[in-house]
Amino acid sequence: NAGVTQTPKFRVLKTGQSMTLLCAQDMNHEYMYWYRQDPGMGLRLIHYSVGEGTTAKGEVPDGYNVSRLKKQNFLLGLESAAPSQTSVYFCASSYGVAGYGYEQYFGPGTRLTVT
Amino acid sequence: SQKIEQNSEALNIQEGKTATLTCNYTNYSPAYLQWYRQDPGRGPVFLLLIRENEKEKRKERLKVTFDTTLKQSLFHITASQPADSATYLCALGNTDKLIFGTGTRLQVFP
Repeated sequence: NAGVTQTPKFRVLKTGQSMTLLCAQDMNHEYMYWYRQDPGMGLRLIHYSVGEGTTAKGEVPDGYNVSRLKKQNFLLGLESAAPSQTSVYFCASSYGVAGYGYEQYFGPGTRLTVT
Repeated sequence: SQKIEQNSEALNIQEGKTATLTCNYTNYSPAYLQWYRQDPGRGPVFLLLIRENEKEKRKERLKVTFDTTLKQSLFHITASQPADSATYLCALGNTDKLIFGTGTRLQVFP
């Protein structure tokens, strides 16, 4: 089992460019999440999905879009990157509802720099 | 608004001692609280879960307490080792999401 994988590991973008971050899990989990982690801010939820074909906004969704066309994949898109989106992005998945006690499994992260 | 506070200053302790990390929260009544470990350059890893009706939970050298009156959770590592050095995050269950604290960095020196 690979668990949760993220692609790419590192990326540098220029302001205004677009990109897609890919998250894949092989644990047959229903729930998937995208977080960003910034110094002093902790993990903040961007978007999440409670099942294939569903998505919902988290705490900081502006400037991002997501899609969950297949159960095992959760994509995070930046349509027009801004320097404020420089961060480390983590994907996570859980078998059940994280808020109801199910642990989350995290990927290794993607370090994104927007210049 | 809901707020989770973890000590932002690093905790430095000597090997063999007990490390105690604190997680305080306000404007919230979570039914579950989780603790995660994060090493530099890696994603968080789940350690322990405690429910609101549980006062204490143990796993090997780890112990978590949950005081819903004080709105506080304490995370203890007994007989600490240099390999325990990492950042520890608490997370509160909020319906279908988790809300994470900013984490406390623990440094265990020989």
